Amino acid sequence: DAGVIQSPRHEVTEMGQEVTLRCKPISGHDYLFWYRQTMMRGLELLIYFNNNVPIDDSGMPEDRFSAKMPNASFSTLKIQPSEPRDSAVYFCASSSHSRGANYGYTFGSGTRLTVV
Amino acid sequence: GDSVTQMEGPVTLSEEAFLTINCTYTATGYPSLFWYVQYPGEGLQLLLKATKADDKGSNKGFEATYRKETTSFHLEKGSVQVSDSAVYFCALIPSGTNAGKSTFGDGTTLTVKP
Repeated sequence: DAGVIQSPRHEVTEMGQEVTLRCKPISGHDYLFWYRQTMMRGLELLIYFNNNVPIDDSGMPEDRFSAKMPNASFSTLKIQPSEPRDSAVYFCASSSHSRGANYGYTFGSGTRLTVV
Repeated sequence: GDSVTQMEGPVTLSEEAFLTINCTYTATGYPSLFWYVQYPGEGLQLLLKATKADDKGSNKGFEATYRKETTSFHLEKGSVQVSDSAVYFCALIPSGTNAGKSTFGDGTTLTVKP
């Protein structure tokens, strides 16, 4: 398995532009998570899905952020309009929870977003 | 709610020194416990895990034992190498209906000097 695949690896955009981050989870995993990591705030959970359904989006900072999971193999995180304070590394992670067991998360390599 | 508390860093050690990074947790029931490692410029990687009391997780020379009585999951390694320099995160996943969502500690930065 290729692991969790995120694209792009790096994104530089101007303030006010729309940014779309993409994630392909591990096949068969039923949970998908979007995290944001910064030096100031550390690792923050933005939203997570179970079987493609959003379960908890309380970490999404404001209405400028939205996430979708149209099928089990693809998710997007969109920021519109982007602001300099959105600059961070965004991670996608997936996991499997079946038969009462959870084997931990597999993280992607992240997207480093810079908004200028 | 659930919480994970890690010892504050940064931690700086000489090569071949003994490593302990403390982790304690608060959760109801019997959560699963994890240690993740993040190398510079990379995502977090699962290092080891334990799913029930007294279980010992181990990987790459690192160990941690699930201590229910002290609600702890301290990470240890007998002899660190320069290549172990990274940020280490302790985490839990609760049991029961909300079992998918992890709670992470703030991370502890380890630097190993030759």
